[in-house]
Amino acid sequence: QQKVQQSPESLSVPEGGMASFNCTSSDRNFQYFWWYRQHSGEGPKALMSIFSDGDKKEGRFTAHLNKASLHVSLHIRDSQPSDSALYFCAAANTGANTGKLTFGHGTILRVHP
Amino acid sequence: DPKIIQKPKYLVAVTGSEKILICEQYLGHNAMYWYRQSAKKPLEFMFSYSYQKLMDNQTASSRFQPQSSKKNHLDLQITALKPDDSATYFCASSQAQNTEVFFGKGTRLTVV
Repeated sequence: QQKVQQSPESLSVPEGGMASFNCTSSDRNFQYFWWYRQHSGEGPKALMSIFSDGDKKEGRFTAHLNKASLHVSLHIRDSQPSDSALYFCAAANTGANTGKLTFGHGTILRVHP
Repeated sequence: DPKIIQKPKYLVAVTGSEKILICEQYLGHNAMYWYRQSAKKPLEFMFSYSYQKLMDNQTASSRFQPQSSKKNHLDLQITALKPDDSATYFCASSQAQNTEVFFGKGTRLTVV
């Protein structure tokens, strides 16, 4: 069973709209969550991390974590065509080896003019 | 300037052959990793090295051998290549616990 499940598989939003991504973990050892973005032909790049319950806002990006339900979400407001990419949720457990990330399958975002 | 350099960008190999994927990072990080991304599976953790020591190996096959000759180098040797090894291999690095993991641009390997 996939330990980190993402939804939806793909998403299309108009320019200026809101894009929302969801992620659920099945492993309670996962305490640290990241959102990564990957443009075509590039490596994944971290957008933001969230380690505590509640919301975390960075510019147009807002992440939300509920540790009790192991659910994390990402919302992008005022979406731009340059936001079109593959978005991943990634989780890490406690301990020293936190470069070991478990990724979801990803959500393809298309922002259309 | 890319801070994590992977070479080559593209690689085509014959089944049964051996290849080495090169990675150098110039971020001053102490920990380096290899990840694999294929069409069938999500981005998968393979290995982690800290101060040139193997910390974790999630690769079932001994055909995959990381090699660290310097603190900022972590190459990946793959022997007896199979078509199922076809994937994009990403080198990554990080500085400390719970800090961002930075990824290179990847080496796309195709085994024919």
